[in-house]
Amino acid sequence: DAGVIQSPRHEVTEMGQEVTLRCKPISGHDYLFWYRQTMMRGLELLIYFNNNVPIDDSGMPEDRFSAKMPNASFSTLKIQPSEPRDSAVYFCASSSLVLDRVYGYTFGSGTRLTVV
Amino acid sequence: GEDVEQSLFLSVREGDSSVINCTYTDSSSTYLYWYKQEPGAGLQLLTYIFSNMDMKQDQRLTVLLNKKDKHLSLRIADTQTGDSAIYFCAAPTSGTYKYIFGTGTRLKVLA
Repeated sequence: DAGVIQSPRHEVTEMGQEVTLRCKPISGHDYLFWYRQTMMRGLELLIYFNNNVPIDDSGMPEDRFSAKMPNASFSTLKIQPSEPRDSAVYFCASSSLVLDRVYGYTFGSGTRLTVV
Repeated sequence: GEDVEQSLFLSVREGDSSVINCTYTDSSSTYLYWYKQEPGAGLQLLTYIFSNMDMKQDQRLTVLLNKKDKHLSLRIADTQTGDSAIYFCAAPTSGTYKYIFGTGTRLKVLA
C-alpha cells in the first residue's frame, strides 16, 4: 500500500481564495482524521469520519472550514475564504479500529498551506 | 476531556540516553502511543504500550507507564543523530476513538 496520500504537498494562495486539500486513506481503513499543525497550537484535530460519516467536527475552527468524505477512498478539506491565519501544515490520517491497537494512525505527509 | 502534556525541548549528546516524558489525564486510556515526526514529514508510529503493562522494550526504545501518576516516558538508548525529531505521545479520549496528541518534544542530538 502507498500509505495515506495527500495533495498538494504545498499550496500558496492569496487571502480570500478557496483552498481544497485532498486525502486518499489506506484501503480498508474505516476512520479518517484531519489535523492541523502550527508552532503556536501544536497538533489540533479538526474533524474525523467513521465509515465516511463525520463523527466529531468540534475542532473545525469556523464556518469557513468544511470537510467531506464522499466515499471510502477520498476526503477533502475546504477553506473558503482563506485567511493568513489558516497557514499551517494540514495532515490527514487513517486507521482501522480493528488494527489500530497495533498500528495506530497512519499519517500522510501533509499539505503545507501558506495564505498571503 | 483528555489532556496530554509534554516538555517542549530536549538536548542530548550522541551516545547518551534520552528520556522524553508525558502526562495524561484520562485514566481509562487503554493504549498509549509514541509517534515520531521527522522534518517535513508526517507522524509515524514509534511504539505503543497497553495500559496493563508497566514497561515495554523494543530494541533501543523503552516505554515506562506509571498509571497511578498518569505518567508515560520514552527512553531512547544510545541516542543517534538520526533520532533528532519531534516526539509525540498520544492517548485516546474516553469513550471515543479520538486521540489527543501532546505538544511534542523536540529532541536535538548533539554530535
